[in-house]
Amino acid sequence: LAKTTQPISMDSYEGQEVNITCSHNNIATNDYITWYQQFPSQGPRFIIQGYKTKVTNEVASLFIPADRKSSTLSLPRVSLSDTAVYYCLVDNNQAGTALIFGKGTTLSVSS
Amino acid sequence: NAGVTQTPKFQVLKTGQSMTLQCAQDMNHNSMYWYRQDPGMGLRLIYYSASEGTTDKGEVPNGYNVSRLNKREFSLRLESAAPSQTSVYFCASNSGGASYEQYFGPGTRLTVT
Repeated sequence: LAKTTQPISMDSYEGQEVNITCSHNNIATNDYITWYQQFPSQGPRFIIQGYKTKVTNEVASLFIPADRKSSTLSLPRVSLSDTAVYYCLVDNNQAGTALIFGKGTTLSVSS
Repeated sequence: NAGVTQTPKFQVLKTGQSMTLQCAQDMNHNSMYWYRQDPGMGLRLIYYSASEGTTDKGEVPNGYNVSRLNKREFSLRLESAAPSQTSVYFCASNSGGASYEQYFGPGTRLTVT
């Protein structure tokens, strides 16, 4: 399973765009990249998943370069409620596959 | 539609005591998972069940047993609790097809003294 590396923490202010980059140098051809968000005292929540290029949903965008060795989660115009831990995961998206979480990136948004 | 539910929410055990953490999902998902999360750490997989009738070890299975009671329910048992098992336990589920998103329960905060 590919391992991921992401910053331990990031700080931002309300209204700014936040980009969290994840490195996954050993990603396999059939691996997908997925991001989860976790608020204190809650379970993780799925944000977005992608395989290549760009994926966008109502919450975030995910940018994946052609070599797929890294990915960037982009949160537009963050608010205080976006303060959370963000996890980058890489896996082959097969049925019953277990997720492997690292320590994630703690995003702190201030006013 | 309650999603993934876990009981209890909080539990304090003495070393050597046993207990079972319960998890149920109402989304007709095939796969279910148990994770633990220690302070400042990411989640680590304890056991998972890819489908009803099957269970497999994850990264940290020692000291735990699981039972996939039926498609809805997946329980985690601590036979002889140890202080090292103090943690927050999360149950998750997802469908057995190409869908990858895992849905997590609210967690059980366990303290072993």
